[in-house]
Amino acid sequence: GDSVTQMEGPVTLSEEAFLTINCTYTATGYPSLFWYVQYPGEGLQLLLKATKADDKGSNKGFEATYRKETTSFHLEKGSVQVSDSAVYFCALSGANYGGSQGNLIFGKGTKLSVKP
Amino acid sequence: KAGVTQTPRYLIKTRGQQVTLSCSPISGHRSVSWYQQTPGQGLQFLFEYFSETQRNKGNFPGRFSGRQFSNSRSEMNVSTLELGDSALYLCASNLQGSNEQFFGPGTRLTVL
Repeated sequence: GDSVTQMEGPVTLSEEAFLTINCTYTATGYPSLFWYVQYPGEGLQLLLKATKADDKGSNKGFEATYRKETTSFHLEKGSVQVSDSAVYFCALSGANYGGSQGNLIFGKGTKLSVKP
Repeated sequence: KAGVTQTPRYLIKTRGQQVTLSCSPISGHRSVSWYQQTPGQGLQFLFEYFSETQRNKGNFPGRFSGRQFSNSRSEMNVSTLELGDSALYLCASNLQGSNEQFFGPGTRLTVL
């Protein structure tokens, strides 16, 4: 079945460091890919998405490119801030059963801590 | 526009009890999905409802059920609670035709 694998955390960086969180996926068909972020005590917020190969999603300085040839969707940011400390989840839209678009398949999450 | 709301935010139950969680989607969103989040299993899809019909279902036992009302509000029910049901239950809604989901803050269920 479809699955998402992302790098284990936690990841600890100093402010202004470069961030990469690796994400690879296994899927039949052509899923959409997402990065969600979860701050302590909160639900998930969509950070960015890409719907087809070679699409680049970007938001708040974060970027990820949908690479079909390597089945990857790595998250990057050039200069992290303390406020970026959170858990990041890579996800794909699961199989479309009868028009269903609501079954996201998530990676395990990567906890990022940014130190001043 | 108000976001997805979930009630209650916190619940404590004992084994064998049942529980009902509620979710109100963003206005205009007719699709509601539920997820369970635990430290061990991560985020797992429970089920999705659209127009009062269950459209998709994850791999959970029959003790987990849900429904959706004509105003798109949704409830999920867990019967005969087990310790392993302790989790954060997240609800998400999306517009028909879009797979971009918007999540609520979750209900933290603790089973003692």
